[in-house]
Amino acid sequence: EVQLVESGGGLVQPGGSLKLSCAASGFTFSGSAMHWVRQASGKGLEWVGRIRSKANSYATAYAASVKGRFTISRDDSKNTAYLQMNSLKTEDTAVYYCTRPDMDVWGKGTTVTVSS
Amino acid sequence: DIVMTQSPDSLAVSLGERATINCKSSQSVLYSSNNKNYLAWYQQKPGQPPKLLIYWASTRESGVPDRFSGSGSGTDFTLTISSLQAEDVAVYYCQQYYSTRALTFGGGTKVEIK
Repeated sequence: EVQLVESGGGLVQPGGSLKLSCAASGFTFSGSAMHWVRQASGKGLEWVGRIRSKANSYATAYAASVKGRFTISRDDSKNTAYLQMNSLKTEDTAVYYCTRPDMDVWGKGTTVTVSS
Repeated sequence: DIVMTQSPDSLAVSLGERATINCKSSQSVLYSSNNKNYLAWYQQKPGQPPKLLIYWASTRESGVPDRFSGSGSGTDFTLTISSLQAEDVAVYYCQQYYSTRALTFGGGTKVEIK
């Protein structure tokens, strides 16, 4: 069974940092790109960014709203993708999901709250 | 970035009746080399992650009931629920994956029972 499990969310002050993890199982993680999508409470879905596979040079791309502050990485030996979030703002408060390129499987999400 | 605009923001439909949701992209998401529209539809129920319903604008994901159908090409797309069931109450999103460096979602359409 294909499964994605996000973790690492929590409460952080504005300007702080947090690192989210996405543990994958049930498919060939190393050959797959991975995406992060977020959703503020009561709002719509916002694509955050993605990282491609080693075969595609681990190329990353980010939404304009997070570029320069967020970094996506991966550890294929651990079947895990990461989202490093720096210089956090209150508007980054959201549920963060990871998903595959086809977006056919999603994790349950992890909640990030940025507040003083 | 490609902007995805959905309409209406919400709609109320009687059980068994048709629900129609529109999605317009700011530029074409039809890739000429393979004649595919890089457009997907998702359903999201409260407290749950999104669920993929339709990809390539009109291909139903495995297990999705055939009352859900997608149509359209280029910049204008439609999701139709032919006979609304109680379990279809949800928010529906369109998404373009034509621009792989900047995926974008529509704002969502909330479907309720009249």
